[in-house]
Amino acid sequence: QVHLVQSGAEVKKPGSSVKVSCRASGGTFISYAISWVRQAPGQGLEWMGGMIPIFGTTNYAQKFQGRVTITADESTSTAYMELSSLNSEDTAVYYCARAPFSSNAFDIWGQGTKVTVSS
Amino acid sequence: QTVVTQEPSFSVSPGGTVTLTCGLSSGSVSISYYPSWYQQTPGQAPRTLIYSTKTRSSGVPDRFSGSILGNKAALTITGAQAEDESDYYCIVYMGSGIWVFGGGTKLTVL
Repeated sequence: QVHLVQSGAEVKKPGSSVKVSCRASGGTFISYAISWVRQAPGQGLEWMGGMIPIFGTTNYAQKFQGRVTITADESTSTAYMELSSLNSEDTAVYYCARAPFSSNAFDIWGQGTKVTVSS
Repeated sequence: QTVVTQEPSFSVSPGGTVTLTCGLSSGSVSISYYPSWYQQTPGQAPRTLIYSTKTRSSGVPDRFSGSILGNKAALTITGAQAEDESDYYCIVYMGSGIWVFGGGTKLTVL
């Protein structure tokens, strides 16, 4: 059974960057699409972007273009999401999620990483 | 920019039937968008209910069903139970590794 295990909570200053990791425990994600989704307090889910490691392709939601970078280390089955120029509106829980090519839907989610941006 | 629309809130009586919908700001949702549905309770990660329009994820009770109704994707709960009170999100796949989320529907069972 594959689990997506994310790194722990972070507290960041405005203007700084945060890098969240997502490791596939018990399997690999090389043949899947990996996306990052965030949820601000009291708000809905928001797709930020994703990558398909086997193709080396990345896509980002327009809202986050230029501020988010998604990468993956196939040797450790770990994906990363780095968000720069943080502000208070980036305070949220960040999730990684895996999508098989067969369904184009998210079948496994990480547990979430809380990022708090505060001066 | 494509916007996915969902009802902000809905209520259903225990044992009742409710249909939540998922539309597009321009155009129709079809099976080619691979619409999927997720349930989320406070403080928890989303749980996958339905993918590829109507396929139930493993372990999901058969009271949950997905379909296309007119120009929208739909999630129907038949025989709603108290534990179904949650937020429900629709996600559509736009192709080329891009997804768009709906704003979610808060379902109350009372």
